[in-house]
Amino acid sequence: GAVVSQHPSRVICKSGTSVKIECRSLDFQATTMFWYRQFPKKSLMLMATSNEGSKATYEQGVEKDKFLINHASLTLSTLTVTSAHPEDSSFYICSARGQGRETQYFGPGTRLLVL
Amino acid sequence: QKEVEQNSGPLSVPEGAIASLNCTYSDRGSQSFFWYRQYSGKSPELIMFIYSNGDKEDGRFTAQLNKASQYVSLLIRDSQPSDSATYLCAVYRSEAGAGSYQLTFGKGTKLSVIP
Repeated sequence: GAVVSQHPSRVICKSGTSVKIECRSLDFQATTMFWYRQFPKKSLMLMATSNEGSKATYEQGVEKDKFLINHASLTLSTLTVTSAHPEDSSFYICSARGQGRETQYFGPGTRLLVL
Repeated sequence: QKEVEQNSGPLSVPEGAIASLNCTYSDRGSQSFFWYRQYSGKSPELIMFIYSNGDKEDGRFTAQLNKASQYVSLLIRDSQPSDSATYLCAVYRSEAGAGSYQLTFGKGTKLSVIP
């Protein structure tokens, strides 16, 4: 199957700082990337969908000014959590889909802890 | 609103038994159906997908689809303790023009295989 990587895998930061998470498709061109958040023992929650070269579409209740998404190339999307607070601590997972394909492949996730 | 329903479980089966995981969906126009496995603390990984009515087998896994009943299931034969995880059902429908290509996920069924 297709490979999607995320970096970093784990990050600890102080409250008020910004954190950038990278998502890369390693062996295919990802025309669409998705960002999810998952709290402990809870379901996956879709945050936003991004198509290469265009603005991300955010789900209801997700602040676009707090969670900045950039999908500048067919292999890279970034999620920046701005002015992070302890309640932003979560498991952030990206997934990617190729042109004309339905299957989404997930990255390994990034665990964010905001102190 | 598109919905994908799964029993949250936990579903407990003894080692060596067949585990049966079920999923129903509300959108009759759904085209593709996916099963993902998510181990605790990890991101989802694709197990298999099915498009056509009937059964699709891959090793110990069999996906079954009944579009008339809007029902998809995953059977795991000879269940092993290593199969213990949360299994996510996902449904896809292309909405060309609307630009919507995301999968709709169920909340997952937690499977526990007892040695």
